[in-house]
Amino acid sequence: AQSVTQLGSHVSVSEGALVLLRCNYSSSVPPYLFWYVQYPNQGLQLLLKYTSAATLVKGINGFEAEFKKSETSFHLTKPSAHMSDAAEYFCAVSDNSGYSTLTFGKGTMLLVSP
Amino acid sequence: NAGVTQTPKFRVLKTGQSMTLLCAQDMNHEYMYWYRQDPGMGLRLIHYSVGEGTTAKGEVPDGYNVSRLKKQNFLLGLESAAPSQTSVYFCASSSGTGRYNEQFFGPGTRLTVL
Repeated sequence: AQSVTQLGSHVSVSEGALVLLRCNYSSSVPPYLFWYVQYPNQGLQLLLKYTSAATLVKGINGFEAEFKKSETSFHLTKPSAHMSDAAEYFCAVSDNSGYSTLTFGKGTMLLVSP
Repeated sequence: NAGVTQTPKFRVLKTGQSMTLLCAQDMNHEYMYWYRQDPGMGLRLIHYSVGEGTTAKGEVPDGYNVSRLKKQNFLLGLESAAPSQTSVYFCASSSGTGRYNEQFFGPGTRLTVL
């Protein structure tokens, strides 16, 4: 079975600081990994996904994530935080059913202060 | 192109009442999903469908029923609502086969059961 662990339910950064949101996964098959963002009172929006083509994945809004098999990690980063990045971020892993079902982490709320 | 829409946006029920949540997508997607989101729990899969006329159980199916009579619609029913079903419900859709296919999410339905 697949699972995802997100370290830290809340992360606080200052505007302009590095953003690092951690995600570790467990998968019995080569994983496909996703990061989604949820702005207040909205649905989830895909930030980026890892599909084995490249270990460093670039997404929207300046975010990127690096797949590290040896560490079973897929951490999300952004060099410089903006106030508009304040949101909840979810890491997810696709299961091996072939039906694109996802197992989500519990989420990390990113707080950005001026 | 509206994407994934959900009806209603908000609903308050009394314990024991029934209701149906409607999800519609206009992207001709084969797969559709229902999740619930609770604080600190991330998103958990309730039921999903891999095509018209098909449904399958997810991680937390108890107390819910679903139907997919038309490809574009996926209905989630609560026959006898309980306070434990107070949650935000999200519908999503995906284009089909392939573990790398992203899911597109609706805006959510906030349900309160008193």
